Amino acid sequence: SAVISQKPSRDICQRGTSLTIQCQVDSQVTMMFWYRQQPGQSLTLIATANQGSEATYESGFVIDKFPISRPNLTFSTLTVSNMSPEDSSIYLCSVEEAGRGTEAFFGQGTRLTVV
Amino acid sequence: AQSVTQPDIHITVSEGASLELRCNYSYGATPYLFWYVQSPGQGLQLLLKYFSGDTLVQGIKGFEAEFKRSQSSFNLRKPSVHWSDAAEYFCAVGAILTGGGNKLTFGTGTQLKVEL
Repeated sequence: SAVISQKPSRDICQRGTSLTIQCQVDSQVTMMFWYRQQPGQSLTLIATANQGSEATYESGFVIDKFPISRPNLTFSTLTVSNMSPEDSSIYLCSVEEAGRGTEAFFGQGTRLTVV
Repeated sequence: AQSVTQPDIHITVSEGASLELRCNYSYGATPYLFWYVQSPGQGLQLLLKYFSGDTLVQGIKGFEAEFKRSQSSFNLRKPSVHWSDAAEYFCAVGAILTGGGNKLTFGTGTQLKVEL
């Protein structure tokens, strides 16, 4: 199974600032996904990030707020821009390995608190 | 659009007792179904998955789940719970994305507490 490292593991940020979360995978993967888990709630897909193309955002999420980069098959970043307390959540990176169909693996998440 | 309902927010069982966590889904086609477990401070770990075939699926850590199309359910079971099973459990349904890959829609989760 893929090993996924997310940085930072947690952060406390001031409102109005931006935070970039990194996701590193130990193998090449086709599909990378970013999820948000708000306090006490379930996971919601933010966007799908494929290498060499623009990220595809789910309803309710926009590129200006959550810009994503996917420069190669092992790395992606998610930026949370112009943060407000409502952005306080756990952000998780997920990958699907090529050839393994629809089995998704998750990183440990980034716990973000906006004050 | 697909959806998942986990009707039990919290469940408490005694160690050694059996466990069943409920999951109901809504999806227009044959679903891909998953159960994940999330321990405190950890990411999600896949317990088991159903794509097709045998409706009783075996997973890791002694868990199993049964797909019942007539009831739109995919309940998770374990015959004897261990204290280390205390965690949050998420049921998810997968849908194929237009550009490839699989979008997971998660339920709200069931927090399992195990009493010694």
